[in-house]
Amino acid sequence: DGGITQSPKYLFRKEGQNVTLSCEQNLNHDAMYWYRQDPGQGLRLIYYSQIVNDFQKGDIAEGYSVSREKKESFPLTVTSAQKNPTAFYLCAILAGGTGELFFGEGSRLTVL
Amino acid sequence: AQSVAQPEDQVNVAEGNPLTVKCTYSVSGNPYLFWYVQYPNRGLQFLLKYITGDNLVKGSYGFEAEFNKSQTSFHLKKPSALVSDSALYFCAARDYNFNKFYFGSGTKLNVKP
Repeated sequence: DGGITQSPKYLFRKEGQNVTLSCEQNLNHDAMYWYRQDPGQGLRLIYYSQIVNDFQKGDIAEGYSVSREKKESFPLTVTSAQKNPTAFYLCAILAGGTGELFFGEGSRLTVL
Repeated sequence: AQSVAQPEDQVNVAEGNPLTVKCTYSVSGNPYLFWYVQYPNRGLQFLLKYITGDNLVKGSYGFEAEFNKSQTSFHLKKPSALVSDSALYFCAARDYNFNKFYFGSGTKLNVKP
């Protein structure tokens, strides 16, 4: 929230199409995260990045890809290999030190 | 495996009554602990955190949480619930060595007038 912007808010996709979700931050924090949220399952980590040009797979990375070419941006691509992509996607940044995660407003992806 | 558990999918409470949302964790070391709230189709909002020190932590909107190391619990509390508190609440633990967060499955709080 505040310094984290996710877009689009809602996205519809046909099966077989790749889509890219945007996450931008102006808070100058290094670590950024992507989570997937499904009803009753809480948040599951897709990818995270601790620093520019570096990222690690989370628990459910299959069918997703990311890049971190700039500190401010951490886009997530949902590929056609993701078998069940309909979900709510949340981007977050980590406040330094003993900090917490700050979340964006989320992007809801629906596959038609 | 590291995990956070929220044993109740839903908690119902009458407005004005105290509320408790339960959380237990199984994360190595001395993890940092957090509570977040989520309203429909919105991102998670930070409520409070425990790092060290006093076992009772106060946070936003009148919420507080009680840390119990022996029971590895971090329960969220509020002395007097409001209808506007109705939302989805998530407990989380941070493994600070790896900057990884573990989230519970969430508890839906329903506060009835």
